[in-house]
Amino acid sequence: AQSVTQLGSHVSVSEGALVLLRCNYSSSVPPYLFWYVQYPNQGLQLLLKYTTGATLVKGINGFEAEFKKSETSFHLTKPSAHMSDAAEYFCAVSEKDSNYQLIWGAGTKLIIKP
Amino acid sequence: EAEVAQSPRYKITEKSQAVAFWCDPISGHATLYWYRQILGQGPELLVQFQDESVVDDSQLPKDRFSAERLKGVDSTLKIQPAELGDSAMYLCASSLARTGAYEQYFGPGTRLTVT
Repeated sequence: AQSVTQLGSHVSVSEGALVLLRCNYSSSVPPYLFWYVQYPNQGLQLLLKYTTGATLVKGINGFEAEFKKSETSFHLTKPSAHMSDAAEYFCAVSEKDSNYQLIWGAGTKLIIKP
Repeated sequence: EAEVAQSPRYKITEKSQAVAFWCDPISGHATLYWYRQILGQGPELLVQFQDESVVDDSQLPKDRFSAERLKGVDSTLKIQPAELGDSAMYLCASSLARTGAYEQYFGPGTRLTVT
């Protein structure tokens, strides 16, 4: 069965520094890939998605992610962290075999140091 | 911009009481999902509707949970009786497509506390 691993339950970076949140999936068949962000006591908001085509995907709020098939990864990056980026980030995948239901990682809490 | 609506935003109830949550998806979205999210974890799918039909409720604790989407539009999730372990965020999401890898749009959630 498909699984999603997010390395690091907490990631702390300084304001202005590079943000790198890691996501790996287990399937040998490339799934569809998503990153969502969740602010405290709110629902989840889609940051970006990969379905087909260009492997570097740009999303909202200056985030981007690159699909690397050989590494079964979809890491999320942002060149310069802002205080407003502090939130929890979830990677999710979906595939036809699971009726396109989202399979979620455990989440990574991003902490921004002033 | 169209949004998924949920109510109430917060609910405190005593164990053994009944509680209900309501969700109104984005207009025209055929697929509706209910998730439960424990603090510090990813969402767990409880039930998936396509129009008014249940597609998947394999993770729904059917002895106490029920869900309906009678006219294929809004939906209600009920818990009776509530237990302490039901304290969580309950999220509703909707998706345009009946199949395929379309993104899900989430409502603000209902934070349930069972005392």
